[in-house]
Amino acid sequence: AQKVTQAQTEISVVEKEDVTLDCVYETRDTTYYLFWYKQPPSGELVFLIRRNSFDEQNEISGRYSWNFQKSTSSFNFTITASQVVDSAVYFCALSEARGGSYIPTFGRGTSLIVHP
Amino acid sequence: EAGVVQSPRYKIIEKKQPVAFWCNPISGHNTLYWYRQNLGQGPELLIRYENEEAVDDSQLPKDRFSAERLKGVDSTLKIQPAELGDSAVYLCASSSRASGATLVSYNEQFFGPGTRLTVL
Repeated sequence: AQKVTQAQTEISVVEKEDVTLDCVYETRDTTYYLFWYKQPPSGELVFLIRRNSFDEQNEISGRYSWNFQKSTSSFNFTITASQVVDSAVYFCALSEARGGSYIPTFGRGTSLIVHP
Repeated sequence: EAGVVQSPRYKIIEKKQPVAFWCNPISGHNTLYWYRQNLGQGPELLIRYENEEAVDDSQLPKDRFSAERLKGVDSTLKIQPAELGDSAVYLCASSSRASGATLVSYNEQFFGPGTRLTVL
């Protein structure tokens, strides 16, 4: 069975601080996909990144970066120089492909609060 | 391009009443998903449609929940009768299937804003 653990329930930082959101996953599949989504107060889940299990290369997109390490089954997300607009709940998700579609199993989410 | 549209955004009903949620996916997206998100939790899949066919409904409580996607576009999720424990946000998502059959060619899901249901 798949499982995603986001041990940090809530993180509070001051603007311009760097922050890392942890994600640890469990799966028996050798082929799987990892995702991060952002859920602002409006409620709509916003896709941030998808990574497949064969690609351990880290990725940077502006102030966002992701560190995928299969050896520790982790897919951590770092926001550099955080801003108030980064305040949201962030979900890590794991998916095998079933019948041609991603069926993600979500973690419980980490609430990030960025203070001015 | 318009995103996934859901209505209503909020619904308050008394227990044992019926309720229905509507979703209009992104144009051209053949796959539609309904999720339930309890407070403080991540979304959990209820049902997935490929066009008008429900291909994964193993997590749908079939005694009281039903869904349909008659023409392979819009979808409706119904609860009858609602129970207190059904209070949650119901999210709809859609995705397109890219050309080709390899796993890496499947596209990410786009989510709607959800319907927040409160059962009193």
